Amino acid sequence: DAKTTQPPSMDCAEGRAANLPCNHSTISGNEYVYWYRQIHSQGPQYIIHGLKNNETNEMASLIITEDRKSSTLILPHATLRDTAVYYCIVRVAGVGSSNTGKLIFGQGTTLQVKP
Amino acid sequence: DAMVIQNPRYQVTQFGKPVTLSCSQTLNHNVMYWYQQKSSQAPKLLFHYYDKDFNNEADTPDNFQSRRPNTSFCFLDIRSPGLGDAAMYLCATSLYGGYEQYFGPGTRLTVT
Repeated sequence: DAKTTQPPSMDCAEGRAANLPCNHSTISGNEYVYWYRQIHSQGPQYIIHGLKNNETNEMASLIITEDRKSSTLILPHATLRDTAVYYCIVRVAGVGSSNTGKLIFGQGTTLQVKP
Repeated sequence: DAMVIQNPRYQVTQFGKPVTLSCSQTLNHNVMYWYQQKSSQAPKLLFHYYDKDFNNEADTPDNFQSRRPNTSFCFLDIRSPGLGDAAMYLCATSLYGGYEQYFGPGTRLTVT
């Protein structure tokens, strides 16, 4: 079972910031928070991941609470092309023969960006 | 551009007729994954290859098989498709097991 909880849907106005929350209260010390998104009829796309520090890349920012039990993905200026299902996933990262890298997807949050 | 390619994008097969889906990658990644995504559901891992080592998920039906003849290619074989196997099949790759995964566009399988 997925180890995260996300709201099923959210709306955001075009040009505004989209803040997508995720709860992962049972996260282990060696587990990272990953975010993927899936635009309709396409394969999932990696967005960002982090362990405990806030992370930012060209697509988004990831804010992880100090206790690591929740996080927020921020799309700073949402566009219509950001309409997608956003998946928050926790898993062990890093190299290792025992690390299969398996992604367990929950139901995600459907973000609708509106004009 | 380096990428993950899936062919065909749409596949129609008859009930019980074997079908093979193809995935290739130009990323030279060690790990290749196959996920099944049924309508309105999240993707679910079927199995993966770490180099030549095959790793099956415990709940993947025996009807599903996979082959990886070389680093670049991986195939999903469905020996006797049933109506319940209609889904989007997603191939993904990663450099190592714990790294981010890159997905192909998927193959949508219809079973008639």
